[in-house]
Amino acid sequence: SQKIEQNSEALNIQEGKTATLTCNYTNYSPAYLQWYRQDPGRGPVFLLLIRENEKEKRKERLKVTFDTTLKQSLFHITASQPADSATYLCALENYGGSQGNLIFGKGTKLSVKP
Amino acid sequence: EAGVAQSPRYKIIEKRQSVAFWCNPISGHATLYWYQQILGQGPKLLIQFQNNGVVDDSQLPKDRFSAERLKGVDSTLKIQPAKLEDSAVYLCASSLDLEQYFGPGTRLTVT
Repeated sequence: SQKIEQNSEALNIQEGKTATLTCNYTNYSPAYLQWYRQDPGRGPVFLLLIRENEKEKRKERLKVTFDTTLKQSLFHITASQPADSATYLCALENYGGSQGNLIFGKGTKLSVKP
Repeated sequence: EAGVAQSPRYKIIEKRQSVAFWCNPISGHATLYWYQQILGQGPKLLIQFQNNGVVDDSQLPKDRFSAERLKGVDSTLKIQPAKLEDSAVYLCASSLDLEQYFGPGTRLTVT
């Protein structure tokens, strides 16, 4: 079965730096991969989706890459701000599942210090 | 546009009791999902509906969990009887395409 590993449980960086979060998977390469943000006591919020034929996707200060050879996605937040502090979840298409069926990683808790 | 609504927000019950959660998805979203999120883990899919039909319930513990989506809109998830290990946040999400929109969740504590 598919396994997802997000690089670390917690990542601490200084305001203004670029945060880089990693999502590795072990089995099949999914047709797409998504990133969500989750704040304490709230549900996840969709950020970006990247498909297997796309190398990179950008949205404002966010950038996602998808390397099917390495079986890895990188999620970057440039010019990070304290307001970016949250848990970031990687989610993969569940191969063999119905459309929209996702498998989530455990998440990486990002803390941006002023 | 109103988001996904869930109620209650918090629930505390004793083991072996029953509990029900309610979800109202975003208007027009045909697909509805229920997830279980244990502290420190990512959400785990329990059941997926397309309109009022079940698309995937392979990870739903059917001996104690049940869910329905009457008329293809609102949905309820029930646990009967609850166990200590059911303590978690139960998230409802809806989607029109691949991106999912989540509600705030119901935090269940089983004592």
